Amino acid sequence: DAKTTQPTSMDCAEGRAANLPCNHSTISGNEYVYWYRQIHSQGPQYIIHGLKNNETNEMASLIITEDRKSSTLILPHATLRDTAVYYCIVIYNDYKLSFGAGTTVTVRA
Amino acid sequence: DAGVIQSPRHEVTEMGQEVTLRCKPISGHDYLFWYRQTMMRGLELLIYFNNNVPIDDSGMPEDRFSAKMPNASFSTLKIQPSEPRDSAVYFCASRPLGQGAGELFFGEGSRLTVL
Repeated sequence: DAKTTQPTSMDCAEGRAANLPCNHSTISGNEYVYWYRQIHSQGPQYIIHGLKNNETNEMASLIITEDRKSSTLILPHATLRDTAVYYCIVIYNDYKLSFGAGTTVTVRA
Repeated sequence: DAGVIQSPRHEVTEMGQEVTLRCKPISGHDYLFWYRQTMMRGLELLIYFNNNVPIDDSGMPEDRFSAKMPNASFSTLKIQPSEPRDSAVYFCASRPLGQGAGELFFGEGSRLTVL
């Protein structure tokens, strides 16, 4: 699996957009970018994934750069319930998800 | 729909005792995964099944750990004998055939403390 690099932590104001960066400079052409989050004491929760194009669902948007070496997860209107650890994962057709340390996001009122 | 159901949610046991963790995947899901999470090592994949058959158990730490899936709706992870270093949160996850390879549904976890 390609390695990903995320900031250790970041703060965000409630109601504002949260932009979470992820670097994956060694990503291969057929590898997907997945995002998960883990709220304290809960199991990880799938958020979104993409290959080349930007993606949006009810939870978030995923912006992937044209060279695919980095991506940004956008939480459009962060709430206190979005406080969690966010994981960026790169995989091909492989079920062995490797979770790194992730980014601890704290949403402040 | 009910999600992935794990039991027990919390288990405290003495070193040397047998521990059995249980998982009921989402109905219709063909893949089942067992993960372990610790502060030191983060989330680690232990083993996964496809149609009740173990596919990859390379993450199982040692022979004290074993996992079974006797049918499509039930799986167990057993530790015998347990040791303090096995203390962790154990997660079960499932996904259906045809879903994106990385789109898993996780349970709430079983927190194990071995004294």
